Amino acid sequence: EDKVVQSPLSLVVHEGDTVTLNCSYEVTNFRSLLWYKQEKKAPTFLFMLTSSGIEKKSGRLSSILDKKELFSILNITATQTGDSAVYLCAVLSMEYGNKLVFGAGTILRVKS
Amino acid sequence: NAGVTQTPKFRVLKTGQSMTLLCAQDMNHEYMYWYRQDPGMGLRLIHYSVGEGTTAKGEVPDGYNVSRLKKQNFLLGLESAAPSQTSVYFCASSYTGGRSSYNEQFFGPGTRLTVL
Repeated sequence: EDKVVQSPLSLVVHEGDTVTLNCSYEVTNFRSLLWYKQEKKAPTFLFMLTSSGIEKKSGRLSSILDKKELFSILNITATQTGDSAVYLCAVLSMEYGNKLVFGAGTILRVKS
Repeated sequence: NAGVTQTPKFRVLKTGQSMTLLCAQDMNHEYMYWYRQDPGMGLRLIHYSVGEGTTAKGEVPDGYNVSRLKKQNFLLGLESAAPSQTSVYFCASSYTGGRSSYNEQFFGPGTRLTVL
């Protein structure tokens, strides 16, 4: 059975801290791994990772994929209160019309 | 572009009632998906469609039906609602499922459904 496990489940940090969110997966027919940020409503896309070892960056966020060890990390540096959200990791599988298998998410709260 | 829209935003049903959730996208996407999100469980795929007139089951299809009569719309139906179907429902769409450049799924704002 396909699964995606995220850790930690929740995290509270202070503004300015750096956080690392983890995502491990066991998914057949892996195609890519995606990170989403979910505030109160719809998940919004952050990154899509297809190749191992290539870091993707967007401002203070960065992510990398290790296809050998089957995990990814999402780093957020110099955190701000606006980073408070649920961060979802999802793996795109070739099954089910390219379905996304989601982890349960990491709840991040950044205190000022 | 409105992107992906969902109606209604909220709904409360009694056990046994039926309803239809509507998803619409204006991005000319081929693939559309219905997910449900429950606490501690992430999003799970209910049904999906790879094009107009086609639908298929996802991971948790029981108790739901779908239809894709028009490319831009994907309907999710509950024939006889049960309390276990209390959840937040998200619709998503993507340009195509098969080409890596376009695999990003765009999500609608969600529908919060409570079944009493």
